[in-house]
Amino acid sequence: DARVTQTPRHKVTEMGQEVTMRCQPILGHNTVFWYRQTMMQGLELLAYFRNRAPLDDSGMPKDRFSAEMPDATLATLKIQPSEPRDSAVYFCASAKIGGVETQYFGPGTRLLVL
Amino acid sequence: TQLLEQSPQFLSIQEGENLTVYCNSSSVFSSLQWYRQEPGEGPVLLVTVVTGGEVKKLKRLTFQFGDARKDSSLHITAAQPGDTGLYLCAGLGGYSGGGADGLTFGKGTHLIIQP
Repeated sequence: DARVTQTPRHKVTEMGQEVTMRCQPILGHNTVFWYRQTMMQGLELLAYFRNRAPLDDSGMPKDRFSAEMPDATLATLKIQPSEPRDSAVYFCASAKIGGVETQYFGPGTRLLVL
Repeated sequence: TQLLEQSPQFLSIQEGENLTVYCNSSSVFSSLQWYRQEPGEGPVLLVTVVTGGEVKKLKRLTFQFGDARKDSSLHITAAQPGDTGLYLCAGLGGYSGGGADGLTFGKGTHLIIQP
Protein backbone atom coordinates (compact mmCIF):
# COMPACT_ATOMS: atom_id res chain seq x y z
CA ASP A 1 0.00 0.00 0.00
CA ALA A 2 1.91 3.06 -1.30
CA ARG A 3 1.89 6.07 1.00
CA VAL A 4 3.41 9.51 1.29
CA THR A 5 5.82 9.61 4.21
CA GLN A 6 6.84 12.67 6.18
CA THR A 7 9.54 13.21 8.76
CA PRO A 8 9.67 14.23 11.48
CA ARG A 9 6.11 13.66 12.67
CA HIS A 10 6.57 16.16 15.47
CA LYS A 11 9.01 19.01 15.97
CA VAL A 12 9.39 21.42 18.87
CA THR A 13 11.92 24.18 18.40
CA GLU A 14 12.76 27.63 19.62
CA MET A 15 12.19 30.82 17.74
CA GLY A 16 15.05 31.61 15.40
CA GLN A 17 16.06 28.01 14.79
CA GLU A 18 16.08 26.36 11.36
CA VAL A 19 13.46 23.70 10.71
CA THR A 20 13.62 21.16 7.89
CA MET A 21 10.69 18.93 7.01
CA ARG A 22 11.02 16.07 4.57
CA CYS A 23 8.58 14.26 2.35
CA GLN A 24 8.85 11.11 0.27
CA PRO A 25 6.14 11.11 -2.41
CA ILE A 26 4.53 7.96 -3.75
CA LEU A 27 6.77 6.31 -6.33
CA GLY A 28 5.73 7.34 -9.82
CA HIS A 29 3.91 10.50 -8.76
CA ASN A 30 5.29 13.53 -10.54
CA THR A 31 3.62 16.33 -8.57
CA VAL A 32 4.31 17.23 -4.95
CA PHE A 33 2.40 19.76 -2.88
CA TRP A 34 3.14 21.41 0.47
CA TYR A 35 0.16 22.54 2.57
CA ARG A 36 -0.07 24.11 6.01
CA GLN A 37 -3.01 23.59 8.38
CA THR A 38 -3.95 25.81 11.31
CA MET A 39 -7.17 26.19 13.24
CA MET A 40 -7.55 29.77 12.12
CA GLN A 41 -6.74 29.45 8.42
CA GLY A 42 -7.48 25.82 7.69
CA LEU A 43 -5.47 24.09 4.97
CA GLU A 44 -3.48 26.40 2.73
CA LEU A 45 -1.33 25.59 -0.27
CA LEU A 46 2.24 26.78 0.18
CA ALA A 47 3.98 25.49 -2.95
CA TYR A 48 4.04 22.69 -5.45
CA PHE A 49 6.40 21.00 -7.88
CA ARG A 50 5.93 19.04 -11.07
CA ASN A 51 8.72 16.79 -12.30
CA ARG A 52 10.84 18.41 -9.57
CA ALA A 53 10.41 21.92 -11.00
CA PRO A 54 8.68 24.52 -8.82
CA LEU A 55 5.39 25.60 -10.41
CA ASP A 56 3.91 27.84 -7.78
CA ASP A 57 5.14 29.07 -4.42
CA SER A 58 2.96 32.14 -4.09
CA GLY A 59 1.44 30.84 -0.86
CA MET A 60 4.78 30.68 0.88
CA PRO A 61 6.46 33.49 2.84
CA LYS A 62 9.54 34.01 0.68
CA ASP A 63 11.77 35.59 3.26
CA ARG A 64 11.95 32.58 5.57
CA PHE A 65 10.49 29.57 3.73
CA SER A 66 12.12 27.57 0.98
CA ALA A 67 11.01 24.40 -0.78
CA GLU A 68 13.11 22.10 -2.92
CA MET A 69 13.08 18.69 -4.59
CA PRO A 70 16.66 17.43 -4.64
CA ASP A 71 15.46 14.29 -6.40
CA ALA A 72 12.23 12.56 -7.36
CA THR A 73 12.01 10.74 -4.04
CA LEU A 74 12.55 13.69 -1.69
CA ALA A 75 10.91 17.06 -1.16
CA THR A 76 12.01 19.43 1.58
CA LEU A 77 10.46 22.45 3.24
CA LYS A 78 12.74 24.68 5.27
CA ILE A 79 11.97 27.53 7.61
CA GLN A 80 14.83 29.80 8.61
CA PRO A 81 14.49 31.51 10.99
CA SER A 82 11.37 29.98 12.51
CA GLU A 83 8.81 32.09 14.34
CA PRO A 84 5.98 31.17 16.74
CA ARG A 85 3.40 32.03 14.03
CA ASP A 86 4.84 29.17 11.94
CA SER A 87 3.41 26.67 14.41
CA ALA A 88 1.08 24.47 12.39
CA VAL A 89 0.75 21.04 10.82
CA TYR A 90 2.59 20.84 7.51
CA PHE A 91 1.31 18.32 4.99
CA CYS A 92 2.93 16.99 1.89
CA ALA A 93 0.77 15.47 -0.84
CA SER A 94 1.66 13.79 -4.10
CA ALA A 95 -0.28 13.11 -7.27
CA LYS A 96 0.16 11.70 -10.72
CA ILE A 97 -1.25 14.59 -12.70
CA GLY A 98 -3.02 13.77 -15.91
CA GLY A 99 -6.64 14.77 -15.38
CA VAL A 100 -8.89 15.04 -12.36
CA GLU A 101 -6.36 13.59 -10.02
CA THR A 102 -6.27 12.35 -6.48
CA GLN A 103 -3.81 14.01 -4.16
CA TYR A 104 -2.50 11.62 -1.54
CA PHE A 105 -1.60 13.29 1.72
CA GLY A 106 1.09 12.30 4.15
CA PRO A 107 0.46 12.18 7.90
CA GLY A 108 1.92 15.65 8.43
CA THR A 109 4.63 17.25 10.53
CA ARG A 110 3.29 18.96 13.64
CA LEU A 111 5.53 21.96 14.29
CA LEU A 112 5.60 23.98 17.48
CA VAL A 113 7.85 27.03 17.61
CA LEU A 114 8.33 28.39 21.13
CA THR B 1 -8.33 34.45 -3.52
CA GLN B 2 -11.27 32.18 -4.09
CA LEU B 3 -12.86 31.04 -0.87
CA LEU B 4 -14.87 28.01 0.02
CA GLU B 5 -17.24 28.45 2.94
CA GLN B 6 -18.31 25.35 4.80
CA SER B 7 -21.24 25.07 7.16
CA PRO B 8 -21.83 24.20 9.84
CA GLN B 9 -18.40 24.47 11.42
CA PHE B 10 -19.30 22.00 14.15
CA LEU B 11 -22.01 19.36 14.29
CA SER B 12 -22.70 16.82 16.99
CA ILE B 13 -25.56 14.38 16.51
CA GLN B 14 -26.75 11.01 17.72
CA GLU B 15 -26.03 7.76 15.96
CA GLY B 16 -28.71 6.96 13.41
CA GLU B 17 -29.59 10.54 12.54
CA ASN B 18 -29.19 12.08 9.10
CA LEU B 19 -27.16 15.20 8.37
CA THR B 20 -26.12 17.50 5.57
CA VAL B 21 -23.06 19.73 5.39
CA TYR B 22 -22.53 22.43 2.83
CA CYS B 23 -19.72 23.94 0.82
CA ASN B 24 -20.31 27.25 -0.96
CA SER B 25 -18.26 29.56 -3.11
CA SER B 26 -18.80 32.66 -5.21
CA SER B 27 -16.42 31.20 -7.79
CA VAL B 28 -16.66 28.37 -10.27
CA PHE B 29 -14.37 25.38 -9.93
CA SER B 30 -13.62 22.82 -12.61
CA SER B 31 -14.16 20.12 -10.03
CA LEU B 32 -14.74 19.82 -6.34
CA GLN B 33 -13.51 17.21 -3.92
CA TRP B 34 -14.57 16.07 -0.47
CA TYR B 35 -12.01 14.81 2.02
CA ARG B 36 -12.28 13.29 5.47
CA GLN B 37 -9.54 13.88 8.01
CA GLU B 38 -9.05 12.04 11.28
CA PRO B 39 -6.94 13.36 14.18
CA GLY B 40 -3.22 13.03 13.55
CA GLU B 41 -3.66 12.08 9.92
CA GLY B 42 -3.77 13.77 6.55
CA PRO B 43 -6.98 14.27 4.59
CA VAL B 44 -8.23 11.29 2.59
CA LEU B 45 -10.18 11.79 -0.60
CA LEU B 46 -13.80 10.61 -0.52
CA VAL B 47 -15.10 11.78 -3.89
CA THR B 48 -14.53 14.10 -6.83
CA VAL B 49 -17.48 15.76 -8.59
CA VAL B 50 -16.94 17.33 -11.98
CA THR B 51 -20.22 17.96 -13.76
CA GLY B 52 -22.75 20.55 -12.62
CA GLY B 53 -25.70 18.79 -11.01
CA GLU B 54 -23.72 15.59 -10.53
CA VAL B 55 -24.72 13.28 -7.68
CA LYS B 56 -22.42 10.58 -6.38
CA LYS B 57 -23.10 8.01 -3.70
CA LEU B 58 -20.60 6.26 -1.49
CA LYS B 59 -22.50 3.84 0.74
CA ARG B 60 -24.40 6.09 3.18
CA LEU B 61 -22.78 9.28 1.85
CA THR B 62 -24.36 11.28 -0.97
CA PHE B 63 -22.44 14.09 -2.65
CA GLN B 64 -23.98 16.69 -4.91
CA PHE B 65 -22.35 19.35 -7.08
CA GLY B 66 -24.41 22.45 -7.74
CA ASP B 67 -25.63 23.17 -11.24
CA ALA B 68 -23.40 26.24 -11.47
CA ARG B 69 -20.39 24.33 -10.07
CA LYS B 70 -20.06 26.79 -7.18
CA ASP B 71 -21.44 24.74 -4.33
CA SER B 72 -21.69 21.22 -3.06
CA SER B 73 -23.31 19.24 -0.29
CA LEU B 74 -22.59 16.05 1.58
CA HIS B 75 -25.49 14.12 3.06
CA ILE B 76 -24.94 11.26 5.48
CA THR B 77 -27.77 8.83 6.16
CA ALA B 78 -27.99 6.97 9.45
CA ALA B 79 -24.75 8.39 10.80
CA GLN B 80 -22.44 6.08 12.73
CA PRO B 81 -19.68 6.84 15.25
CA GLY B 82 -17.15 5.82 12.60
CA ASP B 83 -18.25 8.82 10.54
CA THR B 84 -16.74 11.15 13.12
CA GLY B 85 -14.08 13.39 11.65
CA LEU B 86 -13.30 16.65 9.88
CA TYR B 87 -14.96 16.89 6.48
CA LEU B 88 -13.24 19.21 4.03
CA CYS B 89 -14.32 20.38 0.65
CA ALA B 90 -11.68 21.49 -1.84
CA GLY B 91 -11.92 23.17 -5.20
CA LEU B 92 -9.62 22.38 -8.08
CA GLY B 93 -8.85 24.53 -11.06
CA GLY B 94 -9.54 27.81 -9.39
CA TYR B 95 -6.45 28.54 -7.33
CA SER B 96 -5.65 32.20 -7.74
CA GLY B 97 -1.97 31.69 -7.10
CA GLY B 98 -1.37 30.76 -10.68
CA GLY B 99 -1.05 27.03 -10.47
CA ALA B 100 -4.03 25.13 -11.73
CA ASP B 101 -3.45 22.03 -9.68
CA GLY B 102 -3.37 23.23 -6.10
CA LEU B 103 -6.46 22.69 -4.04
CA THR B 104 -8.38 25.51 -2.35
CA PHE B 105 -9.80 24.11 0.87
CA GLY B 106 -12.70 25.15 3.02
CA LYS B 107 -12.09 25.21 6.77
CA GLY B 108 -14.12 22.08 7.27
CA THR B 109 -17.00 20.73 9.29
CA HIS B 110 -16.09 18.98 12.53
CA LEU B 111 -18.56 16.12 12.83
CA ILE B 112 -19.11 14.09 15.99
CA ILE B 113 -21.47 11.14 16.00
CA GLN B 114 -22.37 10.10 19.51
CA PRO B 115 -23.23 6.46 20.22
